[in-house]
Amino acid sequence: DTGVSQDPRHKITKRGQNVTFRCDPISEHNRLYWYRQTLGQGPEFLTYFQNEAQLEKSRLLSDRFSAERPKGSFSTLEIQRTEQGDSAMYLCASNLRSIQETQYFGPGTRLLVL
Amino acid sequence: SQQGEEDPQALSIQEGENATMNCSYKTSINNLQWYRQNSGRGLVHLILIRSNEREKHSGRLRVTLDTSKKSSSLLITASRAADTASYFCATAARTGANNLFFGTGTRLTVIP
Repeated sequence: DTGVSQDPRHKITKRGQNVTFRCDPISEHNRLYWYRQTLGQGPEFLTYFQNEAQLEKSRLLSDRFSAERPKGSFSTLEIQRTEQGDSAMYLCASNLRSIQETQYFGPGTRLLVL
Repeated sequence: SQQGEEDPQALSIQEGENATMNCSYKTSINNLQWYRQNSGRGLVHLILIRSNEREKHSGRLRVTLDTSKKSSSLLITASRAADTASYFCATAARTGANNLFFGTGTRLTVIP
């Protein structure tokens, strides 16, 4: 257990539905990352927060994806109008700016879109 | 792309044997990290080696880095069944996010 938690751990939804995932980072960590991992691949970067500010988004983050980190604590990742191609593991990671380069990953949320 | 490549994609060994995994990357780096992922779980950081280091040890792990060849290797000595997992190398972006770029991983199976 790295200290980063994610909820839910598994989500099955029908195409077209909206889903929201939550990540609780290690409490003193001000940097938070979302990654997506498809089967047989390594994680790919989606977006990054420093405190409550979303500072970077990758091209993978389509308009149907939105992420927030109110008050710089937990973060949510919402996918609207899900598509079958959204099926993947969504991983959250956190670390502390300027001190740690290691990222601490949560257990992930596995999404299956039917 | 900065993404690395691990080799081999899959490795199966007997318990007690050593396992060696290789990683190649494309751009200059400040450091390279290795992570482990048990099936269906999150990633766990194993070891970080800086660009000015050539070799680093941590318990049964030995990592080497050759920046001239843009390659790294991870050696697990005296493997155990519990070492069965996927192993990924990762390099950090040079943007403010310092997000990680991962390779496709090596799937290690240690047979008891």
